[in-house]
Amino acid sequence: EAGVVQSPRYKIIEKKQPVAFWCNPISGHNTLYWYRQNLGQGPELLIRYENEEAVDDSQLPKDRFSAERLKGVDSTLKIQPAELGDSAVYLCASSLGPTRPQFFGPGTRLTVL
Amino acid sequence: DQQVKQNSPSLSVQEGRISILNCDYTNSMFDYFLWYKKYPAEGPTFLISISSIKDKNEDGRFTVFLNKSAKHLSLHIVPSQPGDSAVYFCAASVRTGGGADGLTFGKGTHLIIQP
Repeated sequence: EAGVVQSPRYKIIEKKQPVAFWCNPISGHNTLYWYRQNLGQGPELLIRYENEEAVDDSQLPKDRFSAERLKGVDSTLKIQPAELGDSAVYLCASSLGPTRPQFFGPGTRLTVL
Repeated sequence: DQQVKQNSPSLSVQEGRISILNCDYTNSMFDYFLWYKKYPAEGPTFLISISSIKDKNEDGRFTVFLNKSAKHLSLHIVPSQPGDSAVYFCAASVRTGGGADGLTFGKGTHLIIQP
């Protein structure tokens, strides 16, 4: 069974530029999460989806971050404009439901110059 | 304020011996705990979980112990193998109420298995 797929794996941009990350969850997983992991820290939740509905986006910096999960499968996370402090690894995870273990993709390492 | 704490940034254990990784939490609402393993340039890999209604869960070489009164859990790996060298994250969530928060992670412990 294929795992969570993320692209791109690496992205380098200049500050104030926009950037987007894509995630394809494990087939049949209705719950999808986006996390951000800073160097030396554990992942921190940005947003959680149940199917196409964002049920928890309280940690998403809404002035510059946006996310969507059209049709309840793939998801895109966008930053516009990016700031230096956005440099981090962005992880996507999915699970069969909100009370089941989450499975992570390889992440996208973002560097903002 | 860190709700999940892993106070040992690194741990070195000899191959074949037991590795014990510790984790403390402060939020008494947490009722589901997980351990993840992470290799460089990869996402975290799920290892084992435990519900707050249990105090032990075992899966092969991995056992997780939960002490709710102390708000403490630990992961035991027996015997330790070279492939176990990785960063281990403790995570917790609140599952009651019909849904679940996202996971709250500790900062991780880098386990190094010495030959």
